Amino acid sequence: SQQGEEDPQALSIQEGENATMNCSYKTSINNLQWYRQNSGRGLVHLILIRSNEREKHSGRLRVTLDTSKKSSSLLITASRAADTASYFCATAGNYGQNFVFGPGTRLSVLP
Amino acid sequence: DSGVTQTPKHLITATGQRVTLRCSPRSGDLSVYWYQQSLDQGLQFLIQYYNGEERAKGNILERFSAQQFPDLHSELNLSSLELGDSALYFCASSVGLNGQETQYFGPGTRLLVL
Repeated sequence: SQQGEEDPQALSIQEGENATMNCSYKTSINNLQWYRQNSGRGLVHLILIRSNEREKHSGRLRVTLDTSKKSSSLLITASRAADTASYFCATAGNYGQNFVFGPGTRLSVLP
Repeated sequence: DSGVTQTPKHLITATGQRVTLRCSPRSGDLSVYWYQQSLDQGLQFLIQYYNGEERAKGNILERFSAQQFPDLHSELNLSSLELGDSALYFCASSVGLNGQETQYFGPGTRLLVL
């Protein structure tokens, strides 16, 4: 079964609004990463948060991690049309297991 | 640009055929990962190679095989193709071997099996 599950599956907002996506996972992790994919293109790494970190920022991105709830959230502030993409969380286990990607959240930012 | 290259970009072939997808990792990266992305299955990890050796296997069919060459480029061979093999195939690379690091993805090969 999927390790990471994002929700919502799809999100549509107006330019300038904030977008929040959530990811839940099932087993203990070494780190959790968020990736973006523009339609039909390769995934682009956005941010990595380690299991001993609670929050991380990168530009307009803010990621939180709650290991007690096995969940993470990605906040994109002041969204732009160019943020329209699918966003995936990927979890990396503690024992060398490979990434497991969730099904993704499709974000549409309307001008 | 991630530094990972994949060829070809598009591939159209018929059922029963065999194709080879090629990936060159970022300079300095020793691990190569192959993923399949389809509409119904999402992004599925297929296999990882590290410095020429198979490191981890995911949901890779027996009809599929891969290898990593001494110059670290990798090839994914898909044989006896079926309609359901139509998908985007991505390779990614990373420096280390344990699959916990940031992975850098190539642009993908879009395979259409008719």
